[in-house]
Amino acid sequence: NAGVTQTPKFRVLKTGQSMTLLCAQDMNHEYMYWYRQDPGMGLRLIHYSVGEGTTAKGEVPDGYNVSRLKKQNFLLGLESAAPSQTSVYFCASNTFQPTQGIGTGELFFGEGSRLTVL
Amino acid sequence: RKEVEQDPGPFNVPEGATVAFNCTYSNSASQSFFWYRQDCRKEPKLLMSVYSSGNEDGRFTAQLNRASQYISLLIRDSKLSDSATYLCVSGDNFNKFYFGSGTKLNVKP
Repeated sequence: NAGVTQTPKFRVLKTGQSMTLLCAQDMNHEYMYWYRQDPGMGLRLIHYSVGEGTTAKGEVPDGYNVSRLKKQNFLLGLESAAPSQTSVYFCASNTFQPTQGIGTGELFFGEGSRLTVL
Repeated sequence: RKEVEQDPGPFNVPEGATVAFNCTYSNSASQSFFWYRQDCRKEPKLLMSVYSSGNEDGRFTAQLNRASQYISLLIRDSKLSDSATYLCVSGDNFNKFYFGSGTKLNVKP
């Protein structure tokens, strides 16, 4: 199993450009998340999804949009990139199964996507 | 105020030492707690869950104090391979997990 896969792994953008980060998981997890990690800030939740067709805002949602059209995919979009969005982005999925109420709650992360906005 | 606060360190310890990390969380309604390990420029990986009764996994022991809203991680007999950043995590439910900034551990020969 691939687990959680993020593409692209590296990207350099100019201010104002748009792009989409793709996260794919093959573990049939309902819950998926997008985090950003900046030096000294830890991981901060951008958006999350509790199932196909649903999304919700996290701690730092401004400047980002997301979509969950398929259960296995969670897309993060930057419509107009800003230098403040230079960061490492991590996607994660959760083992918790809401319909059965089971799962450890462990988060499985992708390898990260390093984005630089000039 | 951050949801989860940790001492950033670094903690520099010799091999074989015992080292303890603490973190505090601000939301008294938090329901789940974890320690993750993150190696340099890698993704975080679960080290262990933290239960009210405390739990142990080999050289690692985690404790939760709900009254003080405090989580701890004890590492005994430190190995060089334990060098990493340790992230404390609390969850209000399975929708949201809040990460501390991490505590860096350097184990020296």
